Amino acid sequence: NAGVTQTPKFQVLKTGQSMTLQCAQDMNHNSMYWYRQDPGMGLRLIYYSASEGTTDKGEVPNGYNVSRLNKREFSLRLESAAPSQTSVYFCASSDMAGYSNQPQHFGDGTRLSIL
Amino acid sequence: AQKVTQAQTEISVVEKEDVTLDCVYETRDTTYYLFWYKQPPSGELVFLIRRNSFDEQNEISGRYSWNFQKSTSSFNFTITASQVVDSAVYFCALSYGDNYGQNFVFGPGTRLSVLP
Repeated sequence: NAGVTQTPKFQVLKTGQSMTLQCAQDMNHNSMYWYRQDPGMGLRLIYYSASEGTTDKGEVPNGYNVSRLNKREFSLRLESAAPSQTSVYFCASSDMAGYSNQPQHFGDGTRLSIL
Repeated sequence: AQKVTQAQTEISVVEKEDVTLDCVYETRDTTYYLFWYKQPPSGELVFLIRRNSFDEQNEISGRYSWNFQKSTSSFNFTITASQVVDSAVYFCALSYGDNYGQNFVFGPGTRLSVLP
């Protein structure tokens, strides 16, 4: 059972470089999400996609873009990485588009460091 | 404002002790859902429980139990006879409204260390 798969698991970038974090889920979920986790702050929503073809901003979208490639895949792109984007990034998916009350299933995270 | 507070930043207990993790939430919605997630040292997030605002019945699952009290806006989590494997960061989360998943708020987490 793969669930939610994120690649890569670790990455180090230099300031100004670009990078795409990949996420795929095999649970046939409609909704997918990208969070960042910083010490002492819990998880904060960057972007989400309620269904294939739609994306919306979350709490902290600045500096990021997303693409919902198909129902399975939801990618997060940093166009010009900044040290403030050093974080652990989690992708998640959930069932039933349009409902925020289903539990989200998370990937294992991507630890990203920007030098 | 919708908010989740976990006032306990870190807790340390000795194995076999009982421990309660506190969660206090704020929401204007009458329909909402509360969740607990566990993040072990390996880093993944594991879903533990979901509770809706209309069901105040307490729940027990093995050594885990949850106490939901709307009167105090709390959804506390108790681990009975703690074990070293319970060491993790525990997050409480609130989901409200129906805005396509945007309204999902996490607390800052409580780091539990269970010492042998």
